Amino acid sequence: LAKTTQPISMDSYEGQEVNITCSHNNIATNDYITWYQQFPSQGPRFIIQGYKTKVTNEVASLFIPADRKSSTLSLPRVSLSDTAVYYCLVGGRRYGGSQGNLIFGKGTKLSVKP
Amino acid sequence: NAGVTQTPKFRVLKTGQSMTLLCAQDMNHEYMYWYRQDPGMGLRLIHYSVGEGTTAKGEVPDGYNVSRLKKQNFLLGLESAAPSQTSVYFCASGGQGRTEAFFGQGTRLTVV
Repeated sequence: LAKTTQPISMDSYEGQEVNITCSHNNIATNDYITWYQQFPSQGPRFIIQGYKTKVTNEVASLFIPADRKSSTLSLPRVSLSDTAVYYCLVGGRRYGGSQGNLIFGKGTKLSVKP
Repeated sequence: NAGVTQTPKFRVLKTGQSMTLLCAQDMNHEYMYWYRQDPGMGLRLIHYSVGEGTTAKGEVPDGYNVSRLKKQNFLLGLESAAPSQTSVYFCASGGQGRTEAFFGQGTRLTVV
């Protein structure tokens, strides 16, 4: 499984755009990049998944450069309710795991301040 | 549609006691997972299952056993609980061809 590296924590203010970058230098050709969000005392929730270039949904955008060795999750105009831990996973298209595995790292703790 | 349901939500055990955590999903998913999450840490995979009757070890399987006798249920067992197993346990499931896994609300286990 490709290992991912994310910042441990980030701070932001309400209304700002937040970009969280994930490094995955050993990503394989068939790997997808998947992001999950976890609020305190809750299980993680799927945010977005992509393979290359840009993917956008109602919650976030995911930017993936041509070499795919990194990816950036972009959260537009964050609010206090976006305070959470964000996990980057690299693996198969199915949930972000490979061969049945679904491995989470430590994630990035985002704190949004008023 | 309940999604993924974990039972119980809270439990306190004494060292050496045994217990079973139940995870039930009503989405007909093939894949199911058990994780533990310690304070300030990410999720660590304990065991997983890719289908009824199958199980596999994850990152931290020692001290735990699992069974998947029915497709909708995934049981996590602690035969002899230790204080180091104090944690929040999450179950998840995912289906063929889906891009997202669904998580339960968690079980907070304290071993004293």
